[in-house]
Parts: sequence; structure tokens; C-alpha cells
Amino acid sequence: KQEVTQIPAALSVPEGENLVLNCSFTDSAIYNLQWFRQDPGKGLTSLLLIQSSQREQTSGRLNASLDKSSGRSTLYIAASQPGDSATYLCAVRGAGFQKLVFGTGTRLLVSP
Amino acid sequence: NAGVTQTPKFRILKIGQSMTLQCTQDMNHNYMYWYRQDPGMGLKLIYYSVGAGITDKGEVPNGYNVSRSTTEDFPLRLELAAPSQTSVYFCAIQGPNTGELFFGEGSRLTVL
Repeated sequence: KQEVTQIPAALSVPEGENLVLNCSFTDSAIYNLQWFRQDPGKGLTSLLLIQSSQREQTSGRLNASLDKSSGRSTLYIAASQPGDSATYLCAVRGAGFQKLVFGTGTRLLVSP
Repeated sequence: NAGVTQTPKFRILKIGQSMTLQCTQDMNHNYMYWYRQDPGMGLKLIYYSVGAGITDKGEVPNGYNVSRSTTEDFPLRLELAAPSQTSVYFCAIQGPNTGELFFGEGSRLTVL
């Protein structure tokens, strides 16, 4: 059974720092991996989707990498801003287009 | 969260009452999902549908029912509300080629 872990559960950084959020998964036979952002009281917003054949995806200041062999993905946020404060979740879809399994998220606070 | 509309946004129920959470999409996607999100527990799949007339159970289906009479609508029904069903409920649709998930804003339900 696929398990997805996100460490740390919470992270506090000053504005301007570059930071890395981690996502680990136990079964490397995946179809894709998706990173989401969730603001308090809101739904999940899709940030990046990495297919199993890809190593990374980029969108603006965000870069997500995927290493299937080690069961890890990282979300890199460059030059963090207070507006980046939110909870970031990763979700893994198993091979064969199985359903998504979610991590519990990393709560990020970027201070001015 | 454009494309997925959930109603109501908030609701308080008494134990034993019934209600339906509505989910409507305007993207004409076949795959739709219902998740619940509890603090510190991540998202759990309740039910999903791969197209009109087809539904299937997820991880935590007990106490819930769904129907999918049209592509657009995927309502979630609680028949006899229990305090354990206090949660935030999210409906999601899935892109047909990439498998990317897009979420609604959520429905916050409290059962007292």
C-alpha cells in the first residue's frame, strides 16, 4: 500500500529565502505526482504535475523534482514571499492510473 | 478552483439528520471524486466516478452515498449524520490525459 510522507510538518522562514519541501513515497511504481497549495479555509490549487517519465517541472518560482528510485520528490520555492504562506501537499498516483494518495502536508509561514 | 462548484460552503447538522452536498463541474470531465479532509489526517477518498452512471467506493465510504446521473453533477449524500462525519469535504475532477486533479472550494460540515 502506497504511503506518502511530508517532512517537516511545519516550516517558518524569513522572506527572500530559497526553500525546499520534501515528499517521500514507499512504492516507486507511480504514474505521476502532483503538488498542491492549500490556503486556510480554501480548496486545493494544483501547482505542478510530474509524470513518471519526467525528472522535474517548473512554474515561475516553483520547481518540482522527482526521483522514483529513491521514492522522493522535492518542491523548491525560490525567493520566498509572504504570499507563499500556505500548506503544501503532495499526492502520488500509482502505476496503472490508480487513485491519488495524499501526504499530510507541510505548513509554510514566510515572515516579512 | 474554476470549473468545480460545491454547495453549501458551510452546514451544521444534528445527529441523525440527512443532507446532500452538491458538486457540479463545467469541464465535461468523466472522472470525479469526493474526499474528506480531517486535521492532521490528509485527504481520504470517499467515493469516485469514472463517468455518468458509474460510481465506486473509495477508502472511507461508510455512511455516505453518491449518484452520477449526468457528467456535470456528482452529489454526496449523508443519510444519518454522525459526529464522526464532521469534516471538510472536497469534490475534485480529473483531467482526461494527464490525470491532474482540480478541486472545488470545499464544504465544511459540523455534526452536533
